Amino acid sequence: EAGVAQSPRYKIIEKRQSVAFWCNPISGHATLYWYQQILGQGPKLLIQFQNNGVVDDSQLPKDRFSAERLKGVDSTLKIQPAKLEDSAVYLCASSPGGAAYNEQFFGPGTRLTVL
Amino acid sequence: AQSVTQPDIHITVSEGASLELRCNYSYGATPYLFWYVQSPGQGLQLLLKYFSGDTLVQGIKGFEAEFKRSQSSFNLRKPSVHWSDAAEYFCAVGPTGGGNKLTFGTGTQLKVEL
Repeated sequence: EAGVAQSPRYKIIEKRQSVAFWCNPISGHATLYWYQQILGQGPKLLIQFQNNGVVDDSQLPKDRFSAERLKGVDSTLKIQPAKLEDSAVYLCASSPGGAAYNEQFFGPGTRLTVL
Repeated sequence: AQSVTQPDIHITVSEGASLELRCNYSYGATPYLFWYVQSPGQGLQLLLKYFSGDTLVQGIKGFEAEFKRSQSSFNLRKPSVHWSDAAEYFCAVGPTGGGNKLTFGTGTQLKVEL
């Protein structure tokens, strides 16, 4: 079974530029998550989708971050404009559903460096 | 609000030695508890989880964890560490009231000396 795919794996941009990350979840998984992992910290949930609807985006900085999940499969996370403090690893995860017993499967992440 | 504390940022053990990684949580009720491992350049992998029942939980790769309600702890253990266990370990807590939003600790970096 293929795992969660993410691209690109690495990205370096200047501050105030825009950037987009892509995630392809495990086939059939209804729930998709985007996490931000700053160096030295644990992952922090940015947004959770159930199919193509948003379940939780309470920690998403909506003035600069946006995410979509078209057709309830792939997802993109965009930052515009980027700030220095956005330097982090962005992890995508998916699970069969949103219940507590559903294990979340994580992708390898995209490491973003903002200069 | 729920929170997780991992007091040890770095731990170094010799190969073959036993391991215990500490995790303390703050939650209004008995939470769902998880341990994940993250190897360099890879995503997180679930080692084990506790929902209810037996407080000693067995996981993959020979790991186990014990839930102690009186101490609000969920420490991860392994009797004999292998060099391949070198990685970062995260404890996480999830809500029991519905949903699976996870709150992670800051992680413990494990180094294994040969």
